[in-house]
Amino acid sequence: EPEVTQTPSHQVTQMGQEVILRCVPISNHLYFYWYRQILGQKVEFLVSFYNNEISEKSEIFDDQFSVERPDGSNFTLKIRSTKLEDSAMYFCASSVAGQGHHGYTFGSGTRLTVV
Amino acid sequence: AQSVSQHNHHVILSEAASLELGCNYSYGGTVNLFWYVQYPGQHLQLLLKYFSGDPLVKGIKGFEAEFIKSKFSFNLRKPSVQWSDTAEYFCAVMSTGGGNKLTFGTGTQLKVEL
Repeated sequence: EPEVTQTPSHQVTQMGQEVILRCVPISNHLYFYWYRQILGQKVEFLVSFYNNEISEKSEIFDDQFSVERPDGSNFTLKIRSTKLEDSAMYFCASSVAGQGHHGYTFGSGTRLTVV
Repeated sequence: AQSVSQHNHHVILSEAASLELGCNYSYGGTVNLFWYVQYPGQHLQLLLKYFSGDPLVKGIKGFEAEFIKSKFSFNLRKPSVQWSDTAEYFCAVMSTGGGNKLTFGTGTQLKVEL
């Protein structure tokens, strides 16, 4: 079964540092997403990406965040200057169609710890 | 804005007991509804989804959910749970009016004891 692959699985970074979280979506999927889950809280939408541009973003996704699809396979989330409150599990997901008729496929997540 | 409420945060059951996890959503328009499961140390997996048609939806591993429009509910059920069902369960909603983001509930941690 095709998978969404995320690397690294764990990342520890110092406050103020830049981090890049990497994702390889399923190859024939067209829509890509980032979600995050702060420990003990709900999974929250960050951003959706289609046709090489952001299609929707939440209020969490401020100027410190950016996404990119630098080549045909990777989809990255960059946090420019990390804060303690950015510590969370970050999930990448992809879907064939925009309305998620097939459901999303989620990756295993990257646990980001900002110290 | 859409929102999702899951009333049970922690549920402990014995094997073979029946399960029902509550989920209510608020949104004025038409929605698509989902249940996801997250086994310990693993990623979110789709259990089942509702788009239209028969409000009783059957998913994987013997799970089912019933969409009751008048109650804005989409409760998850399983007649007889197994130890391997220990996981966290998330209800989610996606509006059909445009956009494709999922709004999740806070999750229910299910522990099944032998």
